[in-house]
Amino acid sequence: RKEVEQDPGPFNVPEGATVAFNCTYSNSASQSFFWYRQDCRKEPKLLMSVYSSGNEDGRFTAQLNRASQYISLLIRDSKLSDSATYLCVVNPRTGGFKTIFGAGTRLFVKA
Amino acid sequence: DVKVTQSSRYLVKRTGEKVFLECVQDMDHENMFWYRQDPGLGLRLIYFSYDVKMKEKGDIPEGYSVSREKKERFSLILESASTNQTSMYLCASSLLGAKGYTFGSGTRLTVV
Repeated sequence: RKEVEQDPGPFNVPEGATVAFNCTYSNSASQSFFWYRQDCRKEPKLLMSVYSSGNEDGRFTAQLNRASQYISLLIRDSKLSDSATYLCVVNPRTGGFKTIFGAGTRLFVKA
Repeated sequence: DVKVTQSSRYLVKRTGEKVFLECVQDMDHENMFWYRQDPGLGLRLIYFSYDVKMKEKGDIPEGYSVSREKKERFSLILESASTNQTSMYLCASSLLGAKGYTFGSGTRLTVV
C-alpha cells in the first residue's frame, strides 16, 4: 500500500461546478498535511495547509479526518484556471524532512 | 518572494556521463531537497540537506550524490548517468521547521 494515495483522475468538470478530491495516508502518526498545485510542466506550489479544524481560502476548503486517515480538497465554482494537478502532501512530523507527496489528481475544467 | 533557481531547464546526456544539476536559493533557507518526479509515482526524495556540508539520504539515493558547500547552493550529481535516471528533477528549499517548500522550476533530464 502506498503511503499517500490519490485518485489520479482525470476529473473533467464544467465551469462553475463543485469538485472534491480525497487523499488517504497510511501513517496514523502523521502530523502535518498540505495541498499543492502543479500546472503542466511547472513546479508544485503550495496551495494550502490542512488543519485539524478544517480551513477555507476563498473557493477552496481543506478538511482532515484523522480517524479515517484522509484529507480532502473541495473547490467551489470551478474556473478554467483551476485546471491543474493537485498533490496531496503528508509529513510524519511538523517540520520534518520525510515529506511524502501523492502522485496527484488531474483536474480539467471546461467552458 | 523566495526564489529557487535550477541551472538548466532541459538537459540531454549520454549513458555513463557524469551529470551535475545545480540549485541556488536566495532566502537563506537551512533546508534544501532534491526530488525526482515520474508519472504515476509522484515526487520521490533523493537527498536532502539541513545545513552546509550536511546531507541525508532520501528514499531513492542510489546512483546519486550531493554537495552543499555553501548554504545557498545544493548540487545533485549523477555519477554515471543511466537511462532509468531520465526524469524531471526538482530542487526545493524551506526554512527550518517551516510547513511548506518552495520549488525550482525543474530540470527535465533525458539520458540516451
